[in-house]
Amino acid sequence: GENVEQHPSTLSVQEGDSAVIKCTYSDSASNYFPWYKQELGKGPQLIIDIRSNVGEKKDQRIAVTLNKTAKHFSLHITETQPEDSAVYFCAASISDSWGKLQFGAGTQVVVTP
Amino acid sequence: DTGVSQDPRHKITKRGQNVTFRCDPISEHNRLYWYRQTLGQGPEFLTYFQNEAQLEKSRLLSDRFSAERPKGSFSTLEIQRTEQGDSAMYLCASSPTGGNTEAFFGQGTRLTVV
Repeated sequence: GENVEQHPSTLSVQEGDSAVIKCTYSDSASNYFPWYKQELGKGPQLIIDIRSNVGEKKDQRIAVTLNKTAKHFSLHITETQPEDSAVYFCAASISDSWGKLQFGAGTQVVVTP
Repeated sequence: DTGVSQDPRHKITKRGQNVTFRCDPISEHNRLYWYRQTLGQGPEFLTYFQNEAQLEKSRLLSDRFSAERPKGSFSTLEIQRTEQGDSAMYLCASSPTGGNTEAFFGQGTRLTVV
């Protein structure tokens, strides 16, 4: 089955700096790659996603890149703010149902003022 | 409709008891998913429904677990004879018709087995 690895497990950045989280996946059939943000005591919230026919996608301060050849994808957050502090999860889907996801282990991001 | 709703938010139960959780998806979302999340880990897929049909079950879903979606709207997840290892956050998600669209998660039910 699909396996998703995520690095780093923790990331501390100064407010205003950039944060980058990297994920690799094992199954070349994966076709959908979402990123979720989870705050303490809450469910995961989708922040951005990318489909396998696209190499990059940007939404304001957040961008995701996908390298299908290398089977890795990354989340980039620019101009970080304290409210960006949370756990971020990458995920991949090889199903025709994009709600069936294989998640990475998560990255705890701490943005210090 | 403000999103996926799960009830209860927290449940503490004694080992050996049965528990049932409820999930109300976003209106008109025909796909519904259950996940389990343990502390410090990402969510793990358990099962999903398209309307009332349960299409797939993970090997994580032991025979003590059963999920239903009888009318294709809300869903229940029951755990029989709970064990301490069942302690986790149980998350529900839904997605619109077609499947090739993003899934939206609820706030989860935190289960503690003592």
